[in-house]
Amino acid sequence: DAKTTQPPSMDCAEGRAANLPCNHSTISGNEYVYWYRQIHSQGPQYIIHGLKNNETNEMASLIITEDRKSSTLILPHATLRDTAVYYCIVSPLSSGSARQLTFGSGTQLTVLP
Amino acid sequence: DAGITQSPRHKVTETGTPVTLRCHQTENHRYMYWYRQDPGHGLRLIHYSYGVKDTDKGEVSDGYSVSRSKTEDFLLTLESATSSQTSVYFCAISASGTTTSGNTIYFGEGSWLTVV
Repeated sequence: DAKTTQPPSMDCAEGRAANLPCNHSTISGNEYVYWYRQIHSQGPQYIIHGLKNNETNEMASLIITEDRKSSTLILPHATLRDTAVYYCIVSPLSSGSARQLTFGSGTQLTVLP
Repeated sequence: DAGITQSPRHKVTETGTPVTLRCHQTENHRYMYWYRQDPGHGLRLIHYSYGVKDTDKGEVSDGYSVSRSKTEDFLLTLESATSSQTSVYFCAISASGTTTSGNTIYFGEGSWLTVV
């Protein structure tokens, strides 16, 4: 697996954009970047994923650098309910690659009132 | 939310007893997974299934068995529960990964198991 590096913790003021970085310098050409989050005592929740291009959905935006060695998850207007551990994961496209979806330590995002 | 139901959500059992956790999905997804989550270890894959009666081992499969007799149900059995199997267990599902959507996995809400 390509490894990812994330800061262990970040704070963000409520209503502000939260920018969560992730380094994945050994990412392979067929690997996607996925973001999940886990709110305390809940199952991990899928947020967004991308391969090369920037992506946006109703939850967040994903910015991937041109060399694909790093990415940033953006929560445009953070709320208290966005407080969670955020995981950046790289995983190949191939089917059934459950072994290759490896969750690291993630970033604990705390949204402050 | 993905249509995943785990049962039981909470269970306390004695060492040496068998325990079965059930995962039920309403999405008709091909792939199903069992993970466990422990402090300091993150999420670790126990077993997964790529179709009815088709299963394979994950990273931490010792002491666990699985069965999938129907697309919608994936059972995890602890044959003889030990205290080291006290954990939170998450079921997950994904559709075929052969599309450009990649291998997005959706998780259930978890089953808390305590072995005393």
